[in-house]
Amino acid sequence: EIQLQESGPGLVKPSQSLSLTCSVTGYTITSGYDWSWIRKFPGNKMEWMGYISYSGSTNYNPSLKSRISITRDTSKNQFFLQLNSVTTEDTATYYCARLIPLTTEGIVSWDYWYFDFWGPGTMVTVSS
Amino acid sequence: DTVLTQSPALAVSPGERVTISCRASESVSTGMHWYQQKPGQQPKLLIYGASNLESGVPARFSGSGSGTDFTLTIDPVEADDTATYFCQQSWNDPYTFGAGTKLELK
Repeated sequence: EIQLQESGPGLVKPSQSLSLTCSVTGYTITSGYDWSWIRKFPGNKMEWMGYISYSGSTNYNPSLKSRISITRDTSKNQFFLQLNSVTTEDTATYYCARLIPLTTEGIVSWDYWYFDFWGPGTMVTVSS
Repeated sequence: DTVLTQSPALAVSPGERVTISCRASESVSTGMHWYQQKPGQQPKLLIYGASNLESGVPARFSGSGSGTDFTLTIDPVEADDTATYFCQQSWNDPYTFGAGTKLELK
């Protein structure tokens, strides 16, 4: 079974960088699909942050484009989130998830992507 | 960005039928997906592509809609369905989520 697990500091100071790791078991991240970061703010709002594809290409939410970087270590089957210049507004629970395209009877619909496996999440507080 | 609007909360009795709505600010075709999240847990995929039931999800859950109006139906509702339900669209970039509908059982 595919499992994802986030890890990283739970407390980050304002203006510093937030760095998280997602460790994947049960599936090789270079075999296919995209590997995403999503966050949920206090109050329930959820935001897709970006993904790294199985080939290593990346796509980021434009709202974060100047501050975000998603990379990977294929030897460890891990991918990473770095968010720079954090403020208190970046306080959230951070999830990693697998992003897959809708496939019906073997036909892939490349316009319809959804998150089928999620990690349990890790809470990050930005505070001095 | 495509804004997804959900009603904030619903309260129903076990055994009843409940519909949870999600309205998009622009067409998302059938690129709408539904997740269930219980406190302290990660979201769980229920419905993808507006109406396709994820493997292992009870047939009590169903989804419908296209364009801008979508519905998640639970029939009949069980006590274990107490959770927050999120919609998410993938037709327009960037992917966006609704604010969630909290379902409580009477």
